[in-house]
Amino acid sequence: DQQVKQNSPSLSVQEGRISILNCDYTNSMFDYFLWYKKYPAEGPTFLISISSIKDKNEDGRFTVFLNKSAKHLSLHIVPSQPGDSAVYFCAASGVGNQGGKLIFGQGTELSVKP
Amino acid sequence: GAGVSQSPRYKVAKRGQDVALRCDPISGHVSLFWYQQALGQGPEFLTYFQNEAQLDKSGLPSDRFFAERPEGSVSTLKIQRTQQEDSAVYLCASTSGGGRTDTQYFGPGTRLTVL
Repeated sequence: DQQVKQNSPSLSVQEGRISILNCDYTNSMFDYFLWYKKYPAEGPTFLISISSIKDKNEDGRFTVFLNKSAKHLSLHIVPSQPGDSAVYFCAASGVGNQGGKLIFGQGTELSVKP
Repeated sequence: GAGVSQSPRYKVAKRGQDVALRCDPISGHVSLFWYQQALGQGPEFLTYFQNEAQLDKSGLPSDRFFAERPEGSVSTLKIQRTQQEDSAVYLCASTSGGGRTDTQYFGPGTRLTVL
């Protein structure tokens, strides 16, 4: 069963506009959530995280929102830039996970058009 | 280089061959993870080490998969009698401590193709 889901395989946005990437999860034991960014032929790179005690975390152009009741999180990128074009993975970690093994979604490929 | 490195970057194996994939974590990093990423999917957890101790191997898909980290630094993932379904990118990640929220730094991966 897919515990972390990213239902949009791809997203195309104009440069300067907002990109919103969505993620849903099913396991109520998840309490720490992350977004990773991946360029082709490279490993995923950590972008931003949020603990379940918060509902928002911001870092520059990137903001992650967490809605625990809906088991939903989203990543907002404002303003979007062509260099943001990559695959974005949502990941979660839960209580009891030794060392913090991550459960990933399938990824959303973001394309930012100049 | 200060990052996680993996070798080889690409590996082609004939079905039934054994392969060994190497991961060099960031120097001094305590924890090391292996993930498998199939085409079009997100990474899936395979196994986790804290120093030389393998604390979680619940994600290893079969007894053909074996991982070790004998001196608490370099790790090797071995796959015996490879099958076509083993074709994937194998990612290694390390963290500085053993904390659950420590940032995982990923290597570039090894792309394994089994013919």
